[in-house]
Amino acid sequence: GQQVMQIPQYQHVQEGEDFTTYCNSSTTLSNIQWYKQRPGGHPVFLIQLVKSGEVKKQKRLTFQFGEAKKNSSLHITATQTTDVGTYFCAGLRGSTLGRLYFGRGTQLTVWP
Amino acid sequence: DVKVTQSSRYLVKRTGEKVFLECVQDMDHENMFWYRQDPGLGLRLIYFSYDVKMKEKGDIPEGYSVSREKKERFSLILESASTNQTSMYLCASSLNFLTGRTYEQYFGPGTRLTVT
Repeated sequence: GQQVMQIPQYQHVQEGEDFTTYCNSSTTLSNIQWYKQRPGGHPVFLIQLVKSGEVKKQKRLTFQFGEAKKNSSLHITATQTTDVGTYFCAGLRGSTLGRLYFGRGTQLTVWP
Repeated sequence: DVKVTQSSRYLVKRTGEKVFLECVQDMDHENMFWYRQDPGLGLRLIYFSYDVKMKEKGDIPEGYSVSREKKERFSLILESASTNQTSMYLCASSLNFLTGRTYEQYFGPGTRLTVT
């Protein structure tokens, strides 16, 4: 079954609006990673969060890892058309030798 | 610059054919992965390998097998292709949990396989 749940599946926003996608795991994670896949492209690593309660920023993107290390979020402030794509979270469990459990992704569309 | 390459971007095969998808990475990574990606279903892990000749089943291994004879190469085999295996196949590699501090996966460009 699905180990990591991600919502929403789709999000359509007007350029300049904010966007958030959420991930939730049924088990505690060692770390969580975020990937972006542009239309027609392949997933590309964005960031990794390791510590409980960790918050990291990349320009307009803010990533959070929950205190219990079971949930995470990606927030984009003031979306731009270049943000279009599918965002995946992926959790690593301690003893899985690097196997990630991917969420199903959130497909973001940005209207100009 | 890190690189994962896949043998074909597009492939069309007939039902019942044996299909080989090849993946090569030049980063000396221990781990290699095969995923299939279908609309609305995200990335589903088929098989992964954490060392030469080692393999582990993922979530959807049925109808597939893999081979890893050399560290840099990981092959996905469809023994008898079926129409429900029409999909995008993505290969990825990463450092091993024991050897790397981060385990980010590097993906290849993907192979879009159509089985008719």
